[in-house]
Amino acid sequence: RKEVEQDPGPFNVPEGATVAFNCTYSNSASQSFFWYRQDCRKEPKLLMSVYSSGNEDGRFTAQLNRASQYISLLIRDSKLSDSATYLCVVTGGKLIFGQGTELSVKP
Amino acid sequence: GAVVSQHPSWVICKSGTSVKIECRSLDFQATTMFWYRQFPKQSLMLMATSNEGSKATYEQGVEKDKFLINHASLTLSTLTVTSAHPEDSSFYICSARESSGSLYEQYFGPGTRLTVT
Repeated sequence: RKEVEQDPGPFNVPEGATVAFNCTYSNSASQSFFWYRQDCRKEPKLLMSVYSSGNEDGRFTAQLNRASQYISLLIRDSKLSDSATYLCVVTGGKLIFGQGTELSVKP
Repeated sequence: GAVVSQHPSWVICKSGTSVKIECRSLDFQATTMFWYRQFPKQSLMLMATSNEGSKATYEQGVEKDKFLINHASLTLSTLTVTSAHPEDSSFYICSARESSGSLYEQYFGPGTRLTVT
């Protein structure tokens, strides 16, 4: 079993849509959780940290369920510029990346 | 914000040759730098952790004699892929952690795309 598993993509959505990404992790001892964004052929960039209480940053909402070892990212009112691969990342002595879910927002 | 650079951004080399990739922290000191590799459609995988002034720590399955890491200063780490083969073709990304920062607060370089022919 992979340490971090994400929804297979790609997700193709129209502008303005709401899209949700899911992620599960296997190490119950993981303490910190993040969502990164990676554009094609570029480095990953931190989008937001994920907290147990849930957190929101503009159109982006992240949720963490420690009991289910599940993380989610919700993007509301999708923009063309949101097109990218979204990486779920957990910690376990190092950053452990999921393989990413590709999002394509169409006009 | 903290900036990390990598050089070169892309390189094509012949099988059997060695390639050196540089990772620099431009505006901060980094006692720890990390080297990742990413194959197409796959996740970033940590290869090794580089500590200034000491030997790098390699992840399981990564050959230390093939991927030579040197972290000679607080702003520079190098990764040398020795005797490169086509299967080493990948996207190599470094990251750096500020000396006073959290282990998980890493600043990523723009990556180096290596193609071995």
